Formats: sequence, C-alpha cells, structure tokens
Amino acid sequence: EAGVTQFPSHSVIEKGQTVTLRCDPISGHDNLYWYRRVMGKEIKFLLHFVKESKQDESGMPNNRFLAERTGGTYSTLKVQPAELEDSGVYFCASSPRLASNEQFFGPGTRLTVL
Amino acid sequence: QKEVEQDPGPLSVPEGAIVSLNCTYSNSAFQYFMWYRQYSRKGPELLMYTYSSGNKEDGRFTAQVDKSSKYISLFIRDSQPSDSATYLCAMSSSTDSWGKFQFGAGTQVVVTP
Repeated sequence: EAGVTQFPSHSVIEKGQTVTLRCDPISGHDNLYWYRRVMGKEIKFLLHFVKESKQDESGMPNNRFLAERTGGTYSTLKVQPAELEDSGVYFCASSPRLASNEQFFGPGTRLTVL
Repeated sequence: QKEVEQDPGPLSVPEGAIVSLNCTYSNSAFQYFMWYRQYSRKGPELLMYTYSSGNKEDGRFTAQVDKSSKYISLFIRDSQPSDSATYLCAMSSSTDSWGKFQFGAGTQVVVTP
C-alpha cells in the first residue's frame, strides 16, 4: 500500500511568488491534515479536511494560505504571495477514520522563501 | 508558555542502553498521547499511542502517561544504532477537533555502536 506522498519535495521561491504544494493521501483515507514546521519550532497544525470539507482550519496563519481538496482525494496548499516567514517544512497526514488519532505522515515539502 | 515541552537534546547513548524520553504539558484536557519517530528528511512515523493514563508496551518500546503530573515518557530498551532519530511527542484533547495534534519540539537521539 502506498503511503502519503507529497510534491514537490523541495521548493525554493522568491518573496512575493506563489507556490502550490500537493498531497496525495493514502487511498481511502477521508481525513487529511496539513502541518508546518518552521525552523527550530515544533510541528504546528494548519487544517483538517474530511473528504472535501474543511473540518478545522484554525491553524491557518493568514489569508495568504489557501487549501483545497476537490473531490475528496488529493489536496493542494497554495501560498500567495509567499513571505520569508513561510519557509519551513510542510507535512501532510491522512487518517482513515474521523475518531482516530492514527495519522500517517508524508515526507514533507521543504519550502524556502528567499 | 508552550502547551507541550520537550527537551531537544541531543541525547547520546551507547548501543544496548535504555533511552528515556519525556514530555510535559500544561493542558489538562489532553487525553490522547502519541510518540512519533522521525528520521532525517522523512515524515514522522507513529510509534505508540495511548489514551489517558497508564502504561503501554510494544516490543522494545514502553509509553507511560501520568496525567496527574502532566508528564509522559517513552522508553526504548536495548537501543540500536537504527534507533537514532528525532522522537516527537504529540497530544490531542477531546475538547478540540479530532486529529488536531499539539507536538513537542522533538528530542534528537543518537545511539552509538
């Protein structure tokens, strides 16, 4: 069974540019989560999808971040325009059931904003 | 004050020793406690998951939760060089949305042959 995949693995952009990160959860997993880890800090929750609906987006930093999950399969996280403080590693995780604390993480996308 | 505190290490131990890791937390509503292992340039991998207080054992790994002290521990027996990684604790509460984890900063563990 394929795990959670994320693309790209690494992205380097300039301040003000737009970047779109993609996450493909484990097939059949309705729950999809985005997390972020900035340098020297702990992993922080961004948002949670149940199928195509946003269950909780309380961790999204500001309106420069837009997450979508059309069709309830893969998800994208767009940052527009990117700022220096957006640099970090963005993780995606998926879980088969809502009432489950068993989340399977992808390898992450390392975003560097110059 | 952070909700979850975890010593970043590094924690260096000789092969075969017991690795002892811990996290403290401030939110008494936390009820679900997880330990993840993360190798360099990889995503976190779930090791142990416990609900409320008590102990849980899985092979060489033992997780302990002491809710009265707001303190959780992970022990790794007979440590191997392959156990060298960053270990993250994570917690969630029943009052928060499912799956909204609060992570510790992670402890780097180095097991030397």
